[in-house]
Amino acid sequence: QQQVKQSPQSLIVQKGGISIINCAYENTAFDYFPWYQQFPGKGPALLIAIRPDVSEKKEGRFTISFNKSAKQFSLHIMDSQPGDSATYFCAASVYNQGGKLIFGQGTELSVKP
Amino acid sequence: DVKVTQSSRYLVKRTGEKVFLECVQDMDHENMFWYRQDPGLGLRLIYFSYDVKMKEKGDIPEGYSVSREKKERFSLILESASTNQTSMYLCASSSWREKKNIQYFGAGTRLSVL
Repeated sequence: QQQVKQSPQSLIVQKGGISIINCAYENTAFDYFPWYQQFPGKGPALLIAIRPDVSEKKEGRFTISFNKSAKQFSLHIMDSQPGDSATYFCAASVYNQGGKLIFGQGTELSVKP
Repeated sequence: DVKVTQSSRYLVKRTGEKVFLECVQDMDHENMFWYRQDPGLGLRLIYFSYDVKMKEKGDIPEGYSVSREKKERFSLILESASTNQTSMYLCASSSWREKKNIQYFGAGTRLSVL
């Protein structure tokens, strides 16, 4: 019940295309859903996050879509650029569990020029 | 600027050795975490700590222990390293004071156990 399942494991997109990464969870107590971005040789860093009271959050080219009834959320990267090539992790947490995050398996995104 | 520093980027150890991985944060964060990162498995939580001298087991604590003697420092200990502990280890910290649950990560230590 604590798992977060992420797909696909890897993704290749042409420059200018849309990258879509999906995550699903089981625990209905989760109330915070961040996405982390990790470049080679670096630690993950927060990219964008959403709470379950909204269905979509957009920051620049990055959008989270959230479907509470389906217990799914996804990251859309519009106009994907080679600089977006990185590993992306979705995560989920229950705030009163002390900030503990449950991470998905990760998606390695490669944007081809 | 937020900073989490892991003492080594790369480590090579022998099976059976005792291994110490050190992590220091300069943000006065209460919470610190140790993860291991393996391809296809994502980030798995080993141990975490909410305060000095406090520790909690994560999802995969077997074969590991931790120490938090000072607020800014969180050490991961492999009592007797084994080849299946070859992995990337990531340290993170966070604070209750922030409205958002943001974890700040170090750059990682890539450990090879031969």
